[in-house]
Amino acid sequence: RKEVEQDPGPFNVPEGATVAFNCTYSNSASQSFFWYRQDCRKEPKLLMSVYSSGNEDGRFTAQLNRASQYISLLIRDSKLSDSATYLCVVGAGTALIFGKGTTLSVSS
Amino acid sequence: GAGVSQSPSNKVTEKGKDVELRCDPISGHTALYWYRQSLGQGLEFLIYFQGNSAPDKSGLPSDRFSAERTGGSVSTLTIQRTQQEDSAVYLCASSFQGAGGNTIYFGEGSWLTVV
Repeated sequence: RKEVEQDPGPFNVPEGATVAFNCTYSNSASQSFFWYRQDCRKEPKLLMSVYSSGNEDGRFTAQLNRASQYISLLIRDSKLSDSATYLCVVGAGTALIFGKGTTLSVSS
Repeated sequence: GAGVSQSPSNKVTEKGKDVELRCDPISGHTALYWYRQSLGQGLEFLIYFQGNSAPDKSGLPSDRFSAERTGGSVSTLTIQRTQQEDSAVYLCASSFQGAGGNTIYFGEGSWLTVV
């Protein structure tokens, strides 16, 4: 089982759609959780941290289920500029482990 | 500069040559990471430095890969006797402390092509 698994997509949605990404992780001792965004041929950049109580930042909502070892990201009212690859990131011990990412394409 | 700085930004080298990639982390960040990303693939962890602790080298793919961090700041990733499968973008990142809950910030990467 891979350490961090994501549905690679691509997810193709129209502007204004709501889209959800899921991620599972294998290490039950994981302590920190993030979503990063990566544009084509660019470096990853932090989108948001994920807290146990769930958290929201504008159109983005992240949730964590420790019992199921599952993380989600919900994007509401999708914009063209949301088109990117979304990386699920889990911290356990000394380093952060990245999922392979889910690609989102928003079209007009 | 304010961000993580990497050099060179692009490197084309012949198979069998050695290459050195440099990373200058954000000032004050004690943790430094190297990742590798092949075209269309996810990020592969290579090595992690945290302060004066022994580095976590568990991700280095072979003994041709090594990294140093001098004075707790600048890091150099060295690849000896490069192979075509080493072609990738090598991403350096730093954070204020370790990976436990702290945001890591990436440099723009060093794009390595082995021909």
